[in-house]
Amino acid sequence: GQQLNQSPQSMFIQEGEDVSMNCTSSSIFNTWLWYKQDPGEGPVLLIALYKAGELTSNGRLTAQFGITRKDSFLNISASIPSDVGIYFCAGPNTNAGKSTFGDGTTLTVKP
Amino acid sequence: KAGVTQTPRYLIKTRGQQVTLSCSPISGHRSVSWYQQTPGQGLQFLFEYFSETQRNKGNFPGRFSGRQFSNSRSEMNVSTLELGDSALYLCASSLSQDRGIGELFFGEGSRLTVL
Repeated sequence: GQQLNQSPQSMFIQEGEDVSMNCTSSSIFNTWLWYKQDPGEGPVLLIALYKAGELTSNGRLTAQFGITRKDSFLNISASIPSDVGIYFCAGPNTNAGKSTFGDGTTLTVKP
Repeated sequence: KAGVTQTPRYLIKTRGQQVTLSCSPISGHRSVSWYQQTPGQGLQFLFEYFSETQRNKGNFPGRFSGRQFSNSRSEMNVSTLELGDSALYLCASSLSQDRGIGELFFGEGSRLTVL
């Protein structure tokens, strides 16, 4: 089945630094979704990408849908302590009838 | 607009018992999906319901079951609990009518501990 590989698995950064993480797949996706999960909460949708090559921003977050449709990137600029959490990429799959999630990137921000 | 509500938030059971978890989706959302989240396995798809019908099921044993009611509320049941069933169970609703696509809106989850 389709699998999504996220990297890095975890990141420890200083407040104010920029962050980059990515998600790759051996299969093509028509949509890429990025979610964030705060400790003790459910994931919340951050950004949705629907078109290859698309670059979308949401505040300090920017995500890109790779041209090959097999990857996506999420960047966070000027990180703050509340950026702490787990970031998941997800690819909805109509054939499989579900959304496939990556294993997540755990972000820790040191004040 | 109220979000996805899951109950209970926390529960402790012993091996061999059964458990029922409840999920109320966002008003107007007819698709409800369930995921199991564990530290080692990430988010694993359990099943998805739409208009009271199970449209898709993940690779979990038959001890895991679910259903959806006419008001779109959903329940999942795990029978004969095992230690490995300890996890955060997440429910997500979606406005999309198409199977497998659409943005998911998650509840806060039900954290199950099996002793």
